[in-house]
Amino acid sequence: KNQVEQSPQSLIILEGKNCTLQCNYTVSPFSNLRWYKQDTGRGPVSLTIMTFSENTKSNGRYTATLDADTKQSSLHITASQLSDSASYICVVTFNTNAGKSTFGDGTTLTVKP
Amino acid sequence: EAQVTQNPRYLITVTGKKLTVTCSQNMNHEYMSWYRQDPGLGLRQIYYSMNVEVTDKGDVPEGYKVSRKEKRNFPLILESPSPNQTSLYFCASRSPGTVNTGELFFGEGSRLTVL
Repeated sequence: KNQVEQSPQSLIILEGKNCTLQCNYTVSPFSNLRWYKQDTGRGPVSLTIMTFSENTKSNGRYTATLDADTKQSSLHITASQLSDSASYICVVTFNTNAGKSTFGDGTTLTVKP
Repeated sequence: EAQVTQNPRYLITVTGKKLTVTCSQNMNHEYMSWYRQDPGLGLRQIYYSMNVEVTDKGDVPEGYKVSRKEKRNFPLILESPSPNQTSLYFCASRSPGTVNTGELFFGEGSRLTVL
């Protein structure tokens, strides 16, 4: 069982609508959680980072939240655009010397006109 | 421009023919890592390197080798490729940060097919 579970697996929305992606993790000891965006055929790119003490962080139309008690994070996308179509990957990093990261399987978002 | 460069981007080979995928970064990062990405399985770590001459196994190291003789380069070696190593491979380097908060910078990926 993956220590980082994402839902939904895929999502289709209309341009201009909002959506929320979920990430649940069991990683311990926890260091931080990042959301990455991966366009088709490209490498992932970081959107936000959340550390233990942070509850919410925004990056333009992207807002990430973190509840360290329930070990849940969400990524909210506001006023979606066609260019938001991508896979969104939740990555949780251990608080160890090696800083090992565990990846979720991603949520594939399709924004339709 | 800060980047991670992988080569080749696409490769078709046959079972047992040794191959090397190169990875180079120009950001002076100490940490580098290799991942494979398969449909439905997400990104899985193959090997990582905390610094020059320091490498360690990730989650799926079987059938792969790496070396880290200099900071900028981290090649992935498949000594005897098999069809189950057909995958999309990503190299990444990580920026420094406190408490492992560094950001991973990924290359563009190398799509490998083993026949």
